Amino acid sequence: DVKVTQSSRYLVKRTGEKVFLECVQDMDHENMFWYRQDPGLGLRLIYFSYDVKMKEKGDIPEGYSVSREKKERFSLILESASTNQTSMYLCASMGGGQGDQETQYFGPGTRLLVL
Amino acid sequence: QKEVEQDPGPLSVPEGAIVSLNCTYSNSAFQYFMWYRQYSRKGPELLMYTYSSGNKEDGRFTAQVDKSSKYISLFIRDSQPSDSATYLCAMSEPSGGSYIPTFGRGTSLIVHP
Repeated sequence: DVKVTQSSRYLVKRTGEKVFLECVQDMDHENMFWYRQDPGLGLRLIYFSYDVKMKEKGDIPEGYSVSREKKERFSLILESASTNQTSMYLCASMGGGQGDQETQYFGPGTRLLVL
Repeated sequence: QKEVEQDPGPLSVPEGAIVSLNCTYSNSAFQYFMWYRQYSRKGPELLMYTYSSGNKEDGRFTAQVDKSSKYISLFIRDSQPSDSATYLCAMSEPSGGSYIPTFGRGTSLIVHP
């Protein structure tokens, strides 16, 4: 079974703080993703990475950065948290081959509240 | 028009009912089709995965793809209160390498005892 873990389930931060969200997967997947999920807006892709040290912007990268120093770990960084970044953050991983390697597996999510 | 359309619901059914959840899409290049179930305040979990057209059955769940109509369905037989969740469809196109699924916004299902 694929396991994707996220460092925190709930997080409360103050406006202007730097926030780190960590994600680890144990299936040797090449691809990792960060989404945010808001009511009525669905899943929105922030950043993804298809290899170590590689990253690509998703649909809403503004205010975020990412780091992938090791294959199993993908970090999302909020450089200066703002209240509009209050959301559920979901990490996902996906293999790079054919067939069901092309499906994403999600972590449990981190609910971030920025005050 | 969004690439993937999904009625947000909520869809409320009595226990034991057959549930039909649907998505339509516009991109004819989509070939991989997934259904995820997401309980409140949890991450989505992969329920079903199908490649190209046809049906796939897993226990009480059946996924159906009609590429000619650009329409996919998830059927749940003998629905249970534990099936109450948001169901997300997702689809992607083969590109020879890694590619990113496009998600529907999810349908909220409530199964009442």
